[in-house]
Amino acid sequence: GDSVTQTEGPVTVSESESLIINCTYSATSIAYPNLFWYVRYPGEGLQLLLKVITAGQKGSSRGFEATYNKETTSFHLQKASVQESDSAVYYCALGASNSNNRIFFGDGTQLVVKP
Amino acid sequence: DPKIIQKPKYLVAVTGSEKILICEQYLGHNAMYWYRQSAKKPLEFMFSYSYQKLMDNQTASSRFQPQSSKKNHLDLQITALKPDDSATYFCASSQDSSSYEQYFGPGTRLTVL
Repeated sequence: GDSVTQTEGPVTVSESESLIINCTYSATSIAYPNLFWYVRYPGEGLQLLLKVITAGQKGSSRGFEATYNKETTSFHLQKASVQESDSAVYYCALGASNSNNRIFFGDGTQLVVKP
Repeated sequence: DPKIIQKPKYLVAVTGSEKILICEQYLGHNAMYWYRQSAKKPLEFMFSYSYQKLMDNQTASSRFQPQSSKKNHLDLQITALKPDDSATYFCASSQDSSSYEQYFGPGTRLTVL
């Protein structure tokens, strides 16, 4: 089926350290999947962090990057230097632009950045 | 100002009762969705609507009924509530049903006793 697997949290890193949250996907019913990272900051709603709709492309936002790798079916989230304000829950997600437009989410990875 | 409003924020109900979760979006979008997140489970797609018409239903139970009285409204009626229905329910919208980006509301946390 269609699913997403991501790093199990919580992930704890110190401020200014680098970060990688792994994400792999399975898209058996979606010919051309779109890949997303969503984020939920404490006390706030879910918001789109970045998206990539073309294999081989990289998306970036707020210092975070993710590259759509079709060969390894991965979409890992990386940041070179995290800040305390990056503490949140990050969700990798898979979708397709069709009449249903359903999004499949991973379990979420809680990131804790220590000052 | 919040662009997607969900009401109420918290809701407690007794088993067997009926509740309506409200969702309004002020983004001018034509497609709306419902997702659910139960404890220790990922967000799960429930319904999609486009121009007030049902496009996809991934909810097995007929106890869950979306209601779209206006273009920017998609409420969720849940009847004969069960404790397993306890979850946070998220409404989302996108420009249309082929748009890549969906915008999510803050959620309604439902607890069924």
